[in-house]
Amino acid sequence: QQQVKQSPQSLIVQKGGISIINCAYENTAFDYFPWYQQFPGKGPALLIAIRPDVSEKKEGRFTISFNKSAKQFSLHIMDSQPGDSATYFCAAQTGANNLFFGTGTRLTVIP
Amino acid sequence: DAGITQSPRHKVTETGTPVTLRCHQTENHRYMYWYRQDPGHGLRLIHYSYGVKDTDKGEVSDGYSVSRSKTEDFLLTLESATSSQTSVYFCATRGRQGVNTEAFFGQGTRLTVV
Repeated sequence: QQQVKQSPQSLIVQKGGISIINCAYENTAFDYFPWYQQFPGKGPALLIAIRPDVSEKKEGRFTISFNKSAKQFSLHIMDSQPGDSATYFCAAQTGANNLFFGTGTRLTVIP
Repeated sequence: DAGITQSPRHKVTETGTPVTLRCHQTENHRYMYWYRQDPGHGLRLIHYSYGVKDTDKGEVSDGYSVSRSKTEDFLLTLESATSSQTSVYFCATRGRQGVNTEAFFGQGTRLTVV
């Protein structure tokens, strides 16, 4: 059973456009929601993260929107660039040890 | 980059043979994890460790065992490799438990079981 549901599976965006990736969860015990970025042949790396007591977090061109009542959160990439082409994973974590990942979104930004 | 080294980076093995993957970290992180990455499944936790000799199962632990005799090393063993264990395996570490703690990943090991 997938603890975190992620969509879309793949996304193609024109350079300068907005990329939006959505995630949903059921377990209300999750208290930390990171996004990881992975380039081919590399391990995932933390991009941005949010706690559920905040509805939005912005770091540069990357923004997480969080809707606690709907148990949904999303990543928005503004002014998408070809260098943003990668696989993005949302994740959810409890205060304990585990980190549950979504199935990933392969983003391609066309020049 | 966090000092996490996985070895080997690539391995081809035959069905039924035992295989051990190694994760070595230089960050003195307490928590270490083994994930496997498969298309359509994202990253799934196999086993994790919360200290030397302290390990626990993740969501896909069948057919795998782990050992951690030193803080810096976390070994993943496939006791008798099967084709369903063909995957990319990632080691990750965290410095401390709790919220707002970043997980650092190694470069991955691509394992093919033929």
